[in-house]
Amino acid sequence: AQTVTQSQPEMSVQEAETVTLSCTYDTSESDYYLFWYKQPPSRQMILVIRQEAYKQQNATENRFSVNFQKAAKSFSLKISDSQLGDAAMYFCAYHTDKLIFGTGTRLQVFP
Amino acid sequence: NAGVTQTPKFRVLKTGQSMTLLCAQDMNHEYMYWYRQDPGMGLRLIHYSVGEGTTAKGEVPDGYNVSRLKKQNFLLGLESAAPSQTSVYFCASSPASGRYNEQFFGPGTRLTVL
Repeated sequence: AQTVTQSQPEMSVQEAETVTLSCTYDTSESDYYLFWYKQPPSRQMILVIRQEAYKQQNATENRFSVNFQKAAKSFSLKISDSQLGDAAMYFCAYHTDKLIFGTGTRLQVFP
Repeated sequence: NAGVTQTPKFRVLKTGQSMTLLCAQDMNHEYMYWYRQDPGMGLRLIHYSVGEGTTAKGEVPDGYNVSRLKKQNFLLGLESAAPSQTSVYFCASSPASGRYNEQFFGPGTRLTVL
C-alpha cells in the first residue's frame, strides 16, 4: 500500500529565512505525481507545487522548490524568503489513481 | 467562477440524526471526491465519483453514502451520525483522474456529532 510520511509535525522559521519540509513516500509504482498543498487557517487547500516522477528536474514555483530524490522516495519542499503569509499546514500528497496525503507539517513564521 | 462550494460550513448533530452535505462545482469537472480531515491524520478519501451517476468507495466509506445525480453536484449523506464522524469534511473536484491533475478543494464543513 502506498503511504506518505511527514516526520515533522511542526516547524518554525524566521521571516526572510529558508525552511525545508520533509516528505517520504512508499510505493512500488513507477509513474506517479507528487504534490505539496498548503492549508492556511481559512482551511482552504491550495496547491503549492507538483512534481512528475519521470522528470529528474526539480520543480520550482517562485519561492517554492522541491528536492525530489526518486530512489530515496523523498520529496522535500523548500520555502525561500519566508513570509508571514506562508504560515499554514503543509501536506505532501502522492497521486496514482488516488490522492494519498501525509499527516501534515504546521509551519510557523516569526517576524 | 465560484469553484468548489460546500453547504453548510458548520453543523452540529446529535447521535443518530441524519444529514446531507452538498458539494457543487462550476468547472465542468468529471471527477469529484469527499474527504475527511481529522487531527494528526491528514485527509482520507471517503467516496469519489468518476462521472454523473457513478460513485465508488474510498479508504473510509463506512457510515457514509453518496450520490452524483448531476455532474456539478456531489452529495455526502450520514444516515445515523456517530461521534466518530466528528470531523472536517472536504469536497474536491478534478478534470479527470490523471495523475497530473490538480484537485480543487472546497472550503470544508466542520461537523460535530454529540
